Amino acid sequence: GENVEQHPSTLSVQEGDSAVIKCTYSDSASNYFPWYKQELGKRPQLIIDIRSNVGEKKDQRIAVTLNKTAKHFSLHITETQPEDSAVYFCAASDSGGSYIPTFGRGTSLIVHP
Amino acid sequence: EPEVTQTPSHQVTQMGQEVILRCVPISNHLYFYWYRQILGQKVEFLVSFYNNEISEKSEIFDDQFSVERPDGSNFTLKIRSTKLEDSAMYFCASNSGGPYNEQFFGPGTRLTVL
Repeated sequence: GENVEQHPSTLSVQEGDSAVIKCTYSDSASNYFPWYKQELGKRPQLIIDIRSNVGEKKDQRIAVTLNKTAKHFSLHITETQPEDSAVYFCAASDSGGSYIPTFGRGTSLIVHP
Repeated sequence: EPEVTQTPSHQVTQMGQEVILRCVPISNHLYFYWYRQILGQKVEFLVSFYNNEISEKSEIFDDQFSVERPDGSNFTLKIRSTKLEDSAMYFCASNSGGPYNEQFFGPGTRLTVL
């Protein structure tokens, strides 16, 4: 089955800095890579996703990159703000399969004002 | 905007008791899921449900667990004889089953087994 590794487990930055979270996956059949943000005590919510036919996708301060050859994908947050503080989970799934994402272990992002 | 809902928000039970966690997925969604998140850890897949039957389950989803869609709207997770290690946040999720599937999560039920 799919295995998703996520690093770092904790990331502490100053407000205004950039933050990068990296994930690797094992199953070459995976072709959909969502990122979820989970604030303390809340449900995970999709913030951005990328499909395997695209190398990069951007939405305002958030961008994701995907390297299919190396089987890794990354989340980039620029000009971080305190409200970006949360746990971020990457995931990988095979859209031709059972639509079940395999999640990474999560990265706790702390943005200091 | 439609949301997945879950009840109760917090359930406290004694070890060995049965619990039923309830979910109402988004109405036009076709795939339903239960996930578990032990405090401070990652989200773990338990089971997926499609067309009124289990489509996949993980090794966590043993004989103590069962799921049902008793009517057109509810989706339930039953744990027959709870153990201490079942204490976790349980999330229900649904998606439309499209080729690139966003999982819409419910707010979760925090299960505490004493």
